[in-house]
Amino acid sequence: AQKITQTQPGMFVQEKEAVTLDCTYDTSDPSYGLFWYKQPSSGEMIFLIYQGSYDQQNATEGRYSLNFQKARKSANLVISASQLGDSAMYFCAMRDLGDNFNKFYFGSGTKLNVKP
Amino acid sequence: KAGVTQTPRYLIKTRGQQVTLSCSPISGHRSVSWYQQTPGQGLQFLFEYFSETQRNKGNFPGRFSGRQFSNSRSEMNVSTLELGDSALYLCASSFDEYNEQFFGPGTRLTVL
Repeated sequence: AQKITQTQPGMFVQEKEAVTLDCTYDTSDPSYGLFWYKQPSSGEMIFLIYQGSYDQQNATEGRYSLNFQKARKSANLVISASQLGDSAMYFCAMRDLGDNFNKFYFGSGTKLNVKP
Repeated sequence: KAGVTQTPRYLIKTRGQQVTLSCSPISGHRSVSWYQQTPGQGLQFLFEYFSETQRNKGNFPGRFSGRQFSNSRSEMNVSTLELGDSALYLCASSFDEYNEQFFGPGTRLTVL
């Protein structure tokens, strides 16, 4: 079963507008971590933001925020005031943090294109 | 603090050969994971090492192996290379399982 689902293979957004990248996850472990990474065309994966399953508030990191809806098992990434440099692949990832040290699961990614 | 480093950055091999890729994690990080990334299959988990022990393994054939040294540096080896092994191999390190992974720049392997 797919652990992480990103349903948007590609998205376009106008520069300076906000954009939401969807991510849903599947786990039965009550303790888990959710991560978002950015991969520009250069290939390097860049960590953006983290949300723990027990965190009461949505994580924010500069222009990035994570819309965490635990009951719906969704962890959408919101990028405010998009910039041309935001054009990249974005990956959602999850890791169960229970008794079994589980591996990271990555989604298939969303390719974001920011238009000038 | 230096980031994750991977060597070599680019590699060209022929079918049947073997290859060894190296990864140096961020200082103090004990966990190292390896991933294979291809346009068709996306990002696929290979294995994870923590304090020299393999903790998790993905669904790859036995031709893919790895190890971690006492200084947390890690190597992965692919024997009897196949054309389908052409990919970007990413190494990532984290302090422990509760923290985010930091990725290296990757090694782009081309098998001819």
